[in-house]
Amino acid sequence: GQQLNQSPQSMFIQEGEDVSMNCTSSSIFNTWLWYKQEPGEGPVLLIALYKAGELTSNGRLTAQFGITRKDSFLNISASIPSDVGIYFCAGQGVYGGATNKLIFGTGTLLAVQP
Amino acid sequence: DVKVTQSSRYLVKRTGEKVFLECVQDMDHENMFWYRQDPGLGLRLIYFSYDVKMKEKGDIPEGYSVSREKKERFSLILESASTNQTSMYLCASSSAGQGFYGYTFGSGTRLTVV
Repeated sequence: GQQLNQSPQSMFIQEGEDVSMNCTSSSIFNTWLWYKQEPGEGPVLLIALYKAGELTSNGRLTAQFGITRKDSFLNISASIPSDVGIYFCAGQGVYGGATNKLIFGTGTLLAVQP
Repeated sequence: DVKVTQSSRYLVKRTGEKVFLECVQDMDHENMFWYRQDPGLGLRLIYFSYDVKMKEKGDIPEGYSVSREKKERFSLILESASTNQTSMYLCASSSAGQGFYGYTFGSGTRLTVV
């Protein structure tokens, strides 16, 4: 099945650093979502984006819906140890239909060293 | 607090056993999904359901079946468990049509087949 191209695959950073990750698709999307999965848990929604060009923040997290509707970006500022986890992007296609089926990225593993 | 509840966090089963993974949501969502998650492979969709008694195959349905007799409950069945089905299984639910706010995931079931 289709998966979105998400990069980087993993990041190992020092506490206090800023983090950037992105997701690209070959097709356009109506909705972009970013999830975080902590070890041993299910993914939790961080940010939802519904319009091309939209920039939305949630605390230290900022995400953008790309103008082309084929990409999205997530930035984390001043990282802390509890930011550790896997970050997934997800997109809902133009023809998502009633099922609102999402396509997921392959995930970015973030490790933060105190 | 809205929830998707998976009946077991950890399961150990023997090869050849019939295994049931249960998922219940309390959000009156129309759509429910089963994913498996393996390192390096991201989230892979096994089956989904958009209504009671309705089901559709995802990307990797082989060796699995599902049941949705009530709106709130979606069960994943491994007819004859095999070691290559050792994985983390995630259930999710979402609304249909307008007012889509992404999937809500359960905490996952880590299944080990020995």
